[in-house]
Amino acid sequence: EAEVAQSPRYKITEKSQAVAFWCDPISGHATLYWYRQILGQGPELLVQFQDESVVDDSQLPKDRFSAERLKGVDSTLKIQPAELGDSAMYLCASSLDAWTRRETQYFGPGTRLLVL
Amino acid sequence: QKEVEQDPGPLSVPEGAIVSLNCTYSNSAFQYFMWYRQYSRKGPELLMYTYSSGNKEDGRFTAQVDKSSKYISLFIRDSQPSDSATYLCAMSGTGANSKLTFGKGITLSVRP
Repeated sequence: EAEVAQSPRYKITEKSQAVAFWCDPISGHATLYWYRQILGQGPELLVQFQDESVVDDSQLPKDRFSAERLKGVDSTLKIQPAELGDSAMYLCASSLDAWTRRETQYFGPGTRLLVL
Repeated sequence: QKEVEQDPGPLSVPEGAIVSLNCTYSNSAFQYFMWYRQYSRKGPELLMYTYSSGNKEDGRFTAQVDKSSKYISLFIRDSQPSDSATYLCAMSGTGANSKLTFGKGITLSVRP
C-alpha cells in the first residue's frame, strides 16, 4: 500500500540552528499539506500545496519557516532559526486533489523535532 | 472558542466495553467529518470518513454526524486493547475551506 514518506523521523537541534524536513507524498497526489502537532493537541495546518503552488500558508510563521514543492512532487519544510517553541511533531499529508473533489488526507509518520 | 471541541480525556475502559467519543463544532461550512486514530509517536491514520449527516458503520466502529446540532460521535463496540490510542476528530469544507480542522484528541486506554 502506498504511503507518505518523511525524513528524518527524529531531529534534535539547538536553538538558532536551521533544520529541514522532507516529505514524499503518495504518487499522483496533487495536494500536499504540512501540519504541526504540539504534544496533547491536534495537528494544525502550516501550509497547503496544490501541485507546486501554495494555496494556504496563512498559519505559517514566515519570518522563520519556509516551504517549497518545486516540481510538484516532494516537499521540504525549513525552519531558520529554530526556537524552543518549535519543538513538536511535523506531519506531512497528501490527498488526490482537494479542489475538484473531496479526497481523504493520508498522513506520514511525522518528524519529531526537539529544540534545546 | 475553538472551531472544534473534543471531549477531554483520558478515557480508560475495560476490554469489551462500548466507547463513545464526541466532538462539537461551530463552523457551518464543514461538510466532511473524519475520525483519525493515532498511536504513540506515529502519524494519524484515517479510521472513518463521512459526508454530511447520518451514520456510517465499519466493523466495530460507527460514526454519527448530526449537522443540525453540530455534533459528531464515534462508537467503538467490543473494545480491544489494540484500540488503545489517541482519537482525533477532524472536519473540513470544500475548495478554500478544504483544510482539516482537528480536535485536541482524546487518549483511550482499553484494559485487558
